[in-house]
Amino acid sequence: GENVEQHPSTLSVQEGDSAVIKCTYSDSASNYFPWYKQELGKGPQLIIDIRSNVGEKKDQRIAVTLNKTAKHFSLHITETQPEDSAVYFCAASSYSSASKIIFGSGTRLSIRP
Amino acid sequence: DTGVSQDPRHKITKRGQNVTFRCDPISEHNRLYWYRQTLGQGPEFLTYFQNEAQLEKSRLLSDRFSAERPKGSFSTLEIQRTEQGDSAMYLCASTKEAAANYGYTFGSGTRLTVV
Repeated sequence: GENVEQHPSTLSVQEGDSAVIKCTYSDSASNYFPWYKQELGKGPQLIIDIRSNVGEKKDQRIAVTLNKTAKHFSLHITETQPEDSAVYFCAASSYSSASKIIFGSGTRLSIRP
Repeated sequence: DTGVSQDPRHKITKRGQNVTFRCDPISEHNRLYWYRQTLGQGPEFLTYFQNEAQLEKSRLLSDRFSAERPKGSFSTLEIQRTEQGDSAMYLCASTKEAAANYGYTFGSGTRLTVV
């Protein structure tokens, strides 16, 4: 089955700087890669996703890149703000697995003022 | 529609007791998923329904766990004879069945503490 690895587990950046979170996946059949943000006491919230026919996607200050050959995908947050502090999860799924999403172990992002 | 609702938000129970959680998905979503999340980890898949049919169960779902979605709307997750290792956040998510994958909408979860 699919296995998703995520690094780093914790990340602290100065407000205004960029943050990068990296993930790898194992199942070459995976074709959908969502990213979730989880704040304390809440469920994960989808913030951006990318499908395997696209190499890069951007939405305001966040962007995701996908390298299918290397089975790598990354989340980039630019101009970080205090409200970006949260736990971020990468994930992967394939239609053949009934869209069952497999999550990475999470990155706790802290923004220093 | 205000999203996926889960009830209760918190549950403290004594070891050996049975507990039941409820999830109300977004009304037009026919797929419903249950996940478990322990501290410092990502959510782990437990089971999913398409309408009222339970189509897959993880090996994490022992015989003490049972889930239902009797009318294809809300779902319940029951844990019998709870153990301390069952302490976790139980998350419900829903999505539309589609030709392509779509991200789930998660509820806020039920935090279970077994003492």
